[in-house]
Amino acid sequence: NAGVTQTPKFRVLKTGQSMTLLCAQDMNHEYMYWYRQDPGMGLRLIHYSVGEGTTAKGEVPDGYNVSRLKKQNFLLGLESAAPSQTSVYFCASGTESGANVLTFGAGSRLTVL
Amino acid sequence: GQNIDQPTEMTATEGAIVQINCTYQTSGFNGLFWYQQHAGEAPTFLSYNVLDGLEEKGRFSSFLSRSKGYSYLLLKELQMKDSASYLCASSDSNYQLIWGAGTKLIIKP
Repeated sequence: NAGVTQTPKFRVLKTGQSMTLLCAQDMNHEYMYWYRQDPGMGLRLIHYSVGEGTTAKGEVPDGYNVSRLKKQNFLLGLESAAPSQTSVYFCASGTESGANVLTFGAGSRLTVL
Repeated sequence: GQNIDQPTEMTATEGAIVQINCTYQTSGFNGLFWYQQHAGEAPTFLSYNVLDGLEEKGRFSSFLSRSKGYSYLLLKELQMKDSASYLCASSDSNYQLIWGAGTKLIIKP
């Protein structure tokens, strides 16, 4: 039982490049989330999904897009990376009844030069 | 606005007790959550309170006062492995978590 798996774990991009972060969960959770974590700040919600085929904007959605074509996968895309998107990205999942009891992935450290 | 405040860093001694405070102000309230995050790792769920009072889970307890917008996490019999950041988060009216910046707890032998 892997829980929540994120790939890649590390990535370095140049400004303007695009990339996709993949999150996969094997717990049959309805809800999935993408957060970013920056030094001295709390986790900030980028986008989230309450079920297959649905997505919604969080607190800091600009510059990111997401898709949830399958229940177990939640993809985060950066179309044109900027240095301000240098961060550690965490994917998390939760059940509908306990939506705030989240299981997190190990994180993806992204550096944009 | 929405705001979660907790101390940036605390130091305690192995075997002792430490209390990490958190004050919150969110639009709506659906619970106060505590997560633990070891350096370089993912946050993991510790406990939550929806009603006023103390919830005990082994060496860890969490307290909530909704009227004061206040919670604390109490860690007893501290062990070196408790060195981590402790994240306080409030669930708002949309059941979205609003996170504090975390309290880094340093345990000294």
